[in-house]
Amino acid sequence: AQKVTQAQTEISVVEKEDVTLDCVYETRDTTYYLFWYKQPPSGELVFLIRRNSFDEQNEISGRYSWNFQKSTSSFNFTITASQVVDSAVYFCALSEHYGGSQGNLIFGKGTKLSVKP
Amino acid sequence: GAVVSQHPSWVICKSGTSVKIECRSLDFQATTMFWYRQFPKQSLMLMATSNEGSKATYEQGVEKDKFLINHASLTLSTLTVTSAHPEDSSFYICSARVGTSGSSYEQYFGPGTRLTVT
Repeated sequence: AQKVTQAQTEISVVEKEDVTLDCVYETRDTTYYLFWYKQPPSGELVFLIRRNSFDEQNEISGRYSWNFQKSTSSFNFTITASQVVDSAVYFCALSEHYGGSQGNLIFGKGTKLSVKP
Repeated sequence: GAVVSQHPSWVICKSGTSVKIECRSLDFQATTMFWYRQFPKQSLMLMATSNEGSKATYEQGVEKDKFLINHASLTLSTLTVTSAHPEDSSFYICSARVGTSGSSYEQYFGPGTRLTVT
């Protein structure tokens, strides 16, 4: 069964601290996609990254970086030098292609990040 | 590119009335659209998947007669909440996907519609 677990419900940090959001997934498929989305208080989902299961290279985009490890089924997200504007709920999601699945996203429960000045 | 709009962005209705929410892909054609529901401080839960010109596929526990989905064209899907009740109050988010396989598993999300039933 497919599942996404974000064990951290809420994290609070002080500005400029680094913070890592954990994501562990379960899937029976060998081909799948992992995503991170940011949801600010306005509610609109902001796409951050998409990674397919065959690409285990870590990625860095400005202050954001992602660590994908298939061996531990984890896709963790790190924000370096956090800022107040990073305060939001962050969702990790999984999309798989199995038995005709249309690739709907399975979301974790989200991690609420609060960055205090 | 890849913009998805939703209308209305928020709506308040009385218990027992029906509400229609529109989801449009503005600059691309969406073969598949998804409807999610998000209760306060909770995650997004998939309600149904719709393909243009065919009946929607509902997730277990979602009443198809209550949540009517029509995907009339490649750019428009509508969700109608019939006989709404306070427990239907939620944030409804649609997403649109172009393509059917491989790298085209990109989903573009609408800004959401906040429904409050009084």
